[in-house]
Amino acid sequence: DGGITQSPKYLFRKEGQNVTLSCEQNLNHDAMYWYRQDPGQGLRLIYYSQIVNDFQKGDIAEGYSVSREKKESFPLTVTSAQKNPTAFYLCASSTGQGVFANQPQHFGDGTRLSIL
Amino acid sequence: GESVGLHLPTLSVQEGDNSIINCAYSNSASDYFIWYKQESGKGPQFIIDIRSNMDKRQGQRVTVLLNKTVKHLSLQIAATQPGDSAVYFCAENPPGGTSYGKLTFGQGTILTVHP
Repeated sequence: DGGITQSPKYLFRKEGQNVTLSCEQNLNHDAMYWYRQDPGQGLRLIYYSQIVNDFQKGDIAEGYSVSREKKESFPLTVTSAQKNPTAFYLCASSTGQGVFANQPQHFGDGTRLSIL
Repeated sequence: GESVGLHLPTLSVQEGDNSIINCAYSNSASDYFIWYKQESGKGPQFIIDIRSNMDKRQGQRVTVLLNKTVKHLSLQIAATQPGDSAVYFCAENPPGGTSYGKLTFGQGTILTVHP
């Protein structure tokens, strides 16, 4: 089945440690996104990429980094500079860019990151 | 900055009733809106979308209404079922440039359906 796969489902980070969250899609979508969701709140955009080898900061990019070396993959690294990393992280993809940008984003089932 | 918000954080209905979830948006230039359903521990699931050149769009048991005059969006669910219990988010896409494809999400409404 086509879709978005996030792994792992649960992740624990120690102080001073970088961790990487995986996001893979087989929908042949150009655009991919990372969001952070805190309890009882909506989604906030961390980074997004509209094409391979290009990405832009979202609203809360500090303490995070990404890469987009392949169309189907958009990993997110939570660095030690992110002082409050405990959250639910969601990856999404969409077909849209340019005049076709207004297409729905499709989400994975998230990774829950906690601090040890 | 501009944002999307919801009037009611929680909504409880009886099975079989119709549900209406409301959303206010503040960016009058937004041209695309989406409703998502999120169940506990899962990612948001697309329900229905609407573009700003439309006032109404219907799907299976769902209808989205857009009132651009008062910048209001609503999601109507007909014959609500227990499986509809979830958090519902509206999202808007402001137009132009690097904003293409970016969505701004509201805080969500918790819908609880009682059997």
